[in-house]
Amino acid sequence: QVQLVQSGGGVVQPGGSLRLSCAASGFTFSNYGMHWVRQAPGKGLEWLTFIRSDGSNKYYADSVKGRFTISRDNSKDTLYLQMNSLRAEDTAVYYCVKGRSDFDSWGQGTLVTVSS
Amino acid sequence: DVVMTQSPLSLPVTLGQPASISCRSSQSLVYSDGNTYLNWFHQRPGQSPRRLIYKVSNRDSGVPDRFSGSGSGTDFTLKISRVEAEDVGVYYCMQGTSITFGQGTRLEIK
Repeated sequence: QVQLVQSGGGVVQPGGSLRLSCAASGFTFSNYGMHWVRQAPGKGLEWLTFIRSDGSNKYYADSVKGRFTISRDNSKDTLYLQMNSLRAEDTAVYYCVKGRSDFDSWGQGTLVTVSS
Repeated sequence: DVVMTQSPLSLPVTLGQPASISCRSSQSLVYSDGNTYLNWFHQRPGQSPRRLIYKVSNRDSGVPDRFSGSGSGTDFTLKISRVEAEDVGVYYCMQGTSITFGQGTRLEIK
C-alpha cells in the first residue's frame, strides 16, 4: 500500500533553516507530482508547493516563495522541502501529499517549530 | 485565486441524524479537460487528513456509503446520511486545479 514517511522536523530559531524529507513506497513515485501542505496549530490546511513528476516544474504559494524550495530524487523515491529564512508564522505541521489533483495519500506529518 | 467557502463552520449533530456541509467556490471548478476536481477530506484530531470523496462524487475505497458528495460548477455538498461517533473531526473541501482549501467544518456530536 502507499506509504509516505516523513522526517526532518524540529525546533529552529527564526532565520534558520530546516529540510524535510518524505520517503515514498507502494507506488511508482516517478509517475506522480507531489505537494507540501501545512497546518498551523489549531488552523486549517494551507497548500505550499507542488513539483511535477519529473521535477521539471515547481509552483509555490506566495507565503513561501523565495524561502522554500521543493525538490525530489526519483532514484531514491524521496521528496524534499528545503526551508530557509524561517519565521514564527511558519510554525506548523507539514504534510507531503501524493498526486497532482488527487491528494489521495498524505504523510504522517512533521512538526516544525520556529522559536527563539 | 479561487476562494473556497464552507458552511457551516461548526456542525453539532445527534448520533444517527443526517449532516450536510456546503462548499462554494468563487469561480467554476470545471477544468479544461471536462473534469471537476473537487475533493472532500476528513481529519480527526492528531491525524493526517484522509480523502473521502474525489471529483465531486466518487467515494474513496473503504469510505462508508453513508458519505456522499454532489454538486457542480461552484456549489458542492458533502452529506452524511446517519452520523456515527467516528465521524467527528474537521471536514475540508479542496479544489484541485490551483489548490485551495475551504476553512474547514468541525463536526461534533450533540
